[in-house]
Amino acid sequence: NAGVTQTPKFRVLKTGQSMTLLCAQDMNHEYMYWYRQDPGMGLRLIHYSVGEGTTAKGEVPDGYNVSRLKKQNFLLGLESAAPSQTSVYFCASSPPREGANTGELFFGEGSRLTVL
Amino acid sequence: GESVGLHLPTLSVQEGDNSIINCAYSNSASDYFIWYKQESGKGPQFIIDIRSNMDKRQGQRVTVLLNKTVKHLSLQIAATQPGDSAVYFCAEKRGGYNKLIFGAGTRLAVHP
Repeated sequence: NAGVTQTPKFRVLKTGQSMTLLCAQDMNHEYMYWYRQDPGMGLRLIHYSVGEGTTAKGEVPDGYNVSRLKKQNFLLGLESAAPSQTSVYFCASSPPREGANTGELFFGEGSRLTVL
Repeated sequence: GESVGLHLPTLSVQEGDNSIINCAYSNSASDYFIWYKQESGKGPQFIIDIRSNMDKRQGQRVTVLLNKTVKHLSLQIAATQPGDSAVYFCAEKRGGYNKLIFGAGTRLAVHP
């Protein structure tokens, strides 16, 4: 089972360049998320989506855009990369549910982005 | 692997001992509290959660305790094993859509 797959796993950009990170999940989950993780800090939510065609801002959305054209895919775009966006990016998905394992997100293995 | 915890607090324990990882939270409105484990080079993995109206929940070798009076959450791991070595994050769920707010993390190092 693939679960949540992120591509690419590594990327180096120059300041001002653009790029897109792709997240794909094969669990038919409604909800998808993009987080960034920086040294010494926990994960911070960038954007999320509660269904195909919908997106919403998280804690740190500035400088990023997202799209959810298909239920299984969630794309994170950087239009003009800045050194402050150097980070490890994690995509996650979850089904909507209450009760057992309510807070369970399924994470990909991360994409390390370096902006020079 | 990814170096995402360069300056994290570290808990060092001997194999076979019990481990207690602590977390303070700030928002009384959170309805669930969750623990995640992150091994080097991997994404976080769900361990256990607890609803805000409970004070204890047990899983396999793990127990989560919630003290709402002092806004404190802890994860107890029984008979710690080398495979438990990882960074552990607490998280709060606030509102709908499973949006989680993560703490900074604690590194657990298990020594033989």
